[in-house]
Amino acid sequence: DTAVSQTPKYLVTQMGNDKSIKCEQNLGHDTMYWYKQDSKKFLKIMFSYNNKELIINETVPNRFSPKSPDKAHLNLHINSLELGDSAVYFCASSRDGRYGYTFGSGTRLTVV
Amino acid sequence: GENVEQHPSTLSVQEGDSAVIKCTYSDSASNYFPWYKQELGKGPQLIIDIRSNVGEKKDQRIAVTLNKTAKHFSLHITETQPEDSAVYFCAASGPGNQFYFGTGTSLTVIP
Repeated sequence: DTAVSQTPKYLVTQMGNDKSIKCEQNLGHDTMYWYKQDSKKFLKIMFSYNNKELIINETVPNRFSPKSPDKAHLNLHINSLELGDSAVYFCASSRDGRYGYTFGSGTRLTVV
Repeated sequence: GENVEQHPSTLSVQEGDSAVIKCTYSDSASNYFPWYKQELGKGPQLIIDIRSNVGEKKDQRIAVTLNKTAKHFSLHITETQPEDSAVYFCAASGPGNQFYFGTGTSLTVIP
């Protein structure tokens, strides 16, 4: 029973397309996150949601938009994809920030 | 905001030897420091953590130490095994339930 699940695992798409990545957690956690991991393995936070409210939005292009229909889901929508968007995107969740994250297995996005 | 530095970026050790990864942080308000292990093709997995009211914590072959005064914390792996090969990340807690990650250490254990 996967705790944090992301779909799809791999996504190859052309520049200019719009795509979505889905994330679901069954841990009952209050906060969910999206991280981008570049080719050098650096983890950079993109968004976090707490009780359906966006509480952090780092310097991410507005082509990226998180959508959380409920506490267990945080989807990532990306418009007008660019080559530089190619990376691995991780969803994560945490109980209340006093505990570590549980990460999903990642979505490898390749923009061609 | 918080700045977490991690060293070394790559580390190779012989099987059975010890490995040490060090991190420093800048925000004195940080009070929770988790460590993650990321195996190839997988998401980071929490392996051990330490809170600011504790100086050391051990779990079998892994241990973490924290020096709040110097803003240093370290991961120690003893009796390394090939399955310890992975990328390790340190992190420090920040505002808004956020964690700031180090840049990662690629550990290779040579059989």
